[in-house]
Amino acid sequence: NAGVTQTPKFRVLKTGQSMTLLCAQDMNHEYMYWYRQDPGMGLRLIHYSVGEGTTAKGEVPDGYNVSRLKKQNFLLGLESAAPSQTSVYFCASSTMPGLSPRDTQYFGPGTRLTVL
Amino acid sequence: QQQVKQSPQSLIVQKGGISIINCAYENTAFDYFPWYQQFPGKGPALLIAIRPDVSEKKEGRFTISFNKSAKQFSLHIMDSQPGDSATYFCAAAPEETSGSRLTFGEGTQLTVNP
Repeated sequence: NAGVTQTPKFRVLKTGQSMTLLCAQDMNHEYMYWYRQDPGMGLRLIHYSVGEGTTAKGEVPDGYNVSRLKKQNFLLGLESAAPSQTSVYFCASSTMPGLSPRDTQYFGPGTRLTVL
Repeated sequence: QQQVKQSPQSLIVQKGGISIINCAYENTAFDYFPWYQQFPGKGPALLIAIRPDVSEKKEGRFTISFNKSAKQFSLHIMDSQPGDSATYFCAAAPEETSGSRLTFGEGTQLTVNP
C-alpha cells in the first residue's frame, strides 16, 4: 500500500496562475482533507470531504476549490494564486470517524508551493 | 484566533531526559485530543491520542496527561532519544465531528541532544 500520495512535490507559480494539487489514497477511506502548514501556525484545514461527490469548507477555504469525483482522489485547486498561498500543503485521509478507536488521519508527504 | 495554544515553540532536551509539551484549549466541545509527530520533509503521523473520559494515557515512552477542568493537556516523552527529534503538534476535535475536524496547535520543535 502506498498510503496517501500527493503530486507534485514542489511547484513554483507566478501570481495569478492556476494549478491543481492531486491527492490519492489506496486505503478505501471515506474522509479526505486538505491542510496548509505555515511556520508558527500549525496545520489549518482548508476543505474536507466525507465521501465521494461531497466537499465542505474548513477553517481557511478562501482562494481554494476542491473536488472529490472519485473516492480515492481529492483535488485542490488554486484558480488565481497569490503570494499568501505560499505554503506546504498536506492531504490526509481517514476512515469514517468512530469506526477506529484511534480515529487516525493519515497524511501524505506534502507539496511545497511557492507563489512569486 | 488559535483555539488550541501550544507551548513551548521549541525545546532542547538531553538524551535520557523528559520532554514536556503543553497545550491549552478553549472550546469545551472538544472531546478528542491527539498528538501528531512530524519529521522533516514528511507528513505528520499520529503518535498518541486521548479522550476526556481518562486523565492519562501511556503508550511506551509517550504519555498524555489531561486536565479537563483546566482545559489543558500535555505530552510527556520519557527517556528522550535523538530519534525523537521532530516537530510535535497537539490537536483537538469537537464531539460532533467524531474526531474528523481537527484544530491543531502551533507546533513544538523538539531537539534531543546525544
